[in-house]
Amino acid sequence: EVQLVESGGGLVQPGRSLRLSCAASGFSVDDYAMHWVRQVPGKGLEWVSGISWNGAMIDYADSVKGRFTISRDNARNYLYLQMNSLRAEDTALYYCAKDIMSRGWCTGLRPWGQGTLVTVSS
Amino acid sequence: DIVMTQTPLSSPVTLGQPASISCRSSQSLVHRDGNTYLSWLQQRPGQPPRLLIYMISNRFSGVPDRFSGSGAGTDFTLKISRVEAEDVGVYYCMQSTQSPPTFGGGTKVEIK
Repeated sequence: EVQLVESGGGLVQPGRSLRLSCAASGFSVDDYAMHWVRQVPGKGLEWVSGISWNGAMIDYADSVKGRFTISRDNARNYLYLQMNSLRAEDTALYYCAKDIMSRGWCTGLRPWGQGTLVTVSS
Repeated sequence: DIVMTQTPLSSPVTLGQPASISCRSSQSLVHRDGNTYLSWLQQRPGQPPRLLIYMISNRFSGVPDRFSGSGAGTDFTLKISRVEAEDVGVYYCMQSTQSPPTFGGGTKVEIK
């Protein structure tokens, strides 16, 4: 079964850092593009970052560019999101999601993990 | 960035009746490869989003055939032929033709 499980969220002060992890099972992360999407509870979805199957394409939303870094550990089958200089507006539930097409970019995202909550507050 | 606009915001529907959600993009979603990367997701209460439809009209494996997608260019529609209780939730369209991928604001489907 294809599954994604996020971890690493929590309460953090503004300006501090946090690293989110996404454990993948049932497939290899180096065969598929992987993405991070966030959602303020009760609000809509915002794409945050994506990495292509071979790492050749990495992209970020303007709102996080220069502060967040996406990466992958193929041996461990993990996806990461390093978040630096966190702001109150980064507070959200962070989901990792897998592209449905092997070696695609973002044909469609499925599955999604359950999400990990990041709260940025002093 | 491409702006995705969904209507209506909310859709109260009688069980067994159809529902329709519209999604309009601020520019054409036809990719240079000829494909249109428009997908539909369902988010049930307390759950993560779940992909229903990709590339306008392709149902993902296991998605009931009462869900159908159509459209072209900048105008797209998700239809539920006969709404069931388990269809309650928020529906989002998403474009991934151009980076960054962007989502519509969501349409809440609820039972009258």
